[in-house]
Amino acid sequence: GAVVSQHPSWVICKSGTSVKIECRSLDFQATTMFWYRQFPKQSLMLMATSNEGSKATYEQGVEKDKFLINHASLTLSTLTVTSAHPEDSSFYICSARMSGWNGNEQFFGPGTRLTVL
Amino acid sequence: DAKTTQPPSMDCAEGRAANLPCNHSTISGNEYVYWYRQIHSQGPQYIIHGLKNNETNEMASLIITEDRKSSTLILPHATLRDTAVYYCIVRVVESNAGNMLTFGGGTRLMVKP
Repeated sequence: GAVVSQHPSWVICKSGTSVKIECRSLDFQATTMFWYRQFPKQSLMLMATSNEGSKATYEQGVEKDKFLINHASLTLSTLTVTSAHPEDSSFYICSARMSGWNGNEQFFGPGTRLTVL
Repeated sequence: DAKTTQPPSMDCAEGRAANLPCNHSTISGNEYVYWYRQIHSQGPQYIIHGLKNNETNEMASLIITEDRKSSTLILPHATLRDTAVYYCIVRVVESNAGNMLTFGGGTRLMVKP
């Protein structure tokens, strides 16, 4: 149990286009989902926290109008990179937090590799 | 959340125990020690967590010093598939809080044949 999926697993797009990444909790309800970005040979950096039915909370330096997050249901959050540019090329990872706490309550997706040409 | 310090890299021979240290000298009384690992081009994977007592599960053992200022993750019989970046994270866990995870640099463990 406790599986999180991401779609697509990789995407290549042209500069100026928008890309949507989906994060789904497959067998549990996630009141909170987190979006991370990871550049090559670097650690994960939290971009934003999204709670179902409310606006996402963005970390300092992350443009909310560029990285649109929608957490419309307890099992789905989407990240849309708008007007993507080569510097947005990165590995995007989501995690989903299970309601309640049993010690291990956050589960990560496999990541989406975005390449902007 | 308290800051952690880990060596940037370590090597381990296949079949031997891998001991990964983590320093968290500013840890507070209500902060837990969590370990995750990230295999190349994958999402992080939970390994183990603890508060005060040593913990063991099917993946690893976690040894926390009595003053809680440092801990060691032990992989008892490392395999090539354990090659990954290991992250030690100290955090407060509250039912109503955001509970985000703050990743530091981690330790890149290379298991060699």
